[in-house]
Amino acid sequence: AQKITQTQPGMFVQEKEAVTLDCTYDTSDQSYGLFWYKQPSSGEMIFLIYQGSYDEQNATEGRYSLNFQKARKSANLVISASQLGDSAMYFCAMREGGYSTLTFGKGTMLLVSP
Amino acid sequence: EAQVTQNPRYLITVTGKKLTVTCSQNMNHEYMSWYRQDPGLGLRQIYYSMNVEVTDKGDVPEGYKVSRKEKRNFPLILESPSPNQTSLYFCASSPTSGLAGGQETQYFGPGTRLLVL
Repeated sequence: AQKITQTQPGMFVQEKEAVTLDCTYDTSDQSYGLFWYKQPSSGEMIFLIYQGSYDEQNATEGRYSLNFQKARKSANLVISASQLGDSAMYFCAMREGGYSTLTFGKGTMLLVSP
Repeated sequence: EAQVTQNPRYLITVTGKKLTVTCSQNMNHEYMSWYRQDPGLGLRQIYYSMNVEVTDKGDVPEGYKVSRKEKRNFPLILESPSPNQTSLYFCASSPTSGLAGGQETQYFGPGTRLLVL
């Protein structure tokens, strides 16, 4: 079974609208971390936001927020007020088991239109 | 400036010609890792290293070798490249966290695009 599932291969959103990118995960560990990365067309991997399994509040970083639903094992990324520069591939990733290793989902391509 | 560097950034080679992709970090990180990224598959881990002289296989290690003789360097070696190793390769590093829930992110290099003919 996949540890990280991103069911949306691609998403379209209009500028200034909010968009939610889905991520579900599978782990039996109690302690784990969830990450979102952005990969623009230039190729670099940019860290966006982190959520720890014991964090009681949803993480927020500027226009990015993470909708963490532990019981459902989901960690959706919400981007508010989309900008043209948000067009990119987005990856959800998980770290578990006391190691630094990250397991990535297959990614969601987001296209923001004017 | 804290960074992970990779060289070369772009490489075209032929089947069977040994090559090395270098990776270096200046953050004194203990953990380093190599990933390959292929369309529709996301990033998959090739090898990782928890510290000097400590390396271990990731999910797709076949056809690759690594070494960690110094803390800052973690080269990826393809002894006999094949066309199915055409991919985008990332090196990453992070401080080792004793807690899986630790929020230390991995710092990624800029990527190396490899084409094996």
